[in-house]
Amino acid sequence: KAGVTQTPRYLIKTRGQQVTLSCSPISGHRSVSWYQQTPGQGLQFLFEYFSETQRNKGNFPGRFSGRQFSNSRSEMNVSTLELGDSALYLCASSLDGGSTEQFFGPGTRLTVL
Amino acid sequence: KNEVEQSPQNLTAQEGEFITINCSYSVGISALHWLQQHPGGGIVSLFMLSSGKKKHGRLIATINIQEKHSSLHITASHPRDSAVYICAAWSGGATNKLIFGTGTLLAVQP
Repeated sequence: KAGVTQTPRYLIKTRGQQVTLSCSPISGHRSVSWYQQTPGQGLQFLFEYFSETQRNKGNFPGRFSGRQFSNSRSEMNVSTLELGDSALYLCASSLDGGSTEQFFGPGTRLTVL
Repeated sequence: KNEVEQSPQNLTAQEGEFITINCSYSVGISALHWLQQHPGGGIVSLFMLSSGKKKHGRLIATINIQEKHSSLHITASHPRDSAVYICAAWSGGATNKLIFGTGTLLAVQP
């Protein structure tokens, strides 16, 4: 079974731009969660999608949004990029979400200049 | 105070040594993950446990729900075990989410 894939792997943007990241979960997994990892804050939960609905959301501004499609693929969007948005963005999929084992993708490294 | 705390933050060991990484949490949790992250970013789930003990190869994870404490043990450590080890607790409740520890950077020297 193929693992979680994320595209693109690397991205460079400038302040004020917007970006869309994509995550394809393991086949059969219906939950996709997104995380941000920075040297200063470590790993932080962004949001979780399950069956095309946002089920949980972390403490991030509204510039961070996401969606999930009927095939469980998910996208995350960040608008009006700030320097502090530079981070590794990870998605993870699981069968049903909640307190179940998560399988992580390789991440997208975003650099904002 | 972080809701999930790990110790030590950095650990250097000689090949073959027995290693223990500790995780304490203050949130009420429904389960706990141990994760491994190698340079370059990829995260691998090592264990998810809600009680007792799990073993996989040279890795052992234990959890004590009453004491809100979990440990990850590595027996007969090897340089390829060098990585960051992260514990993450499911917060439970209506806004169930993973809360991460700050990680333990392990370097195993040959």
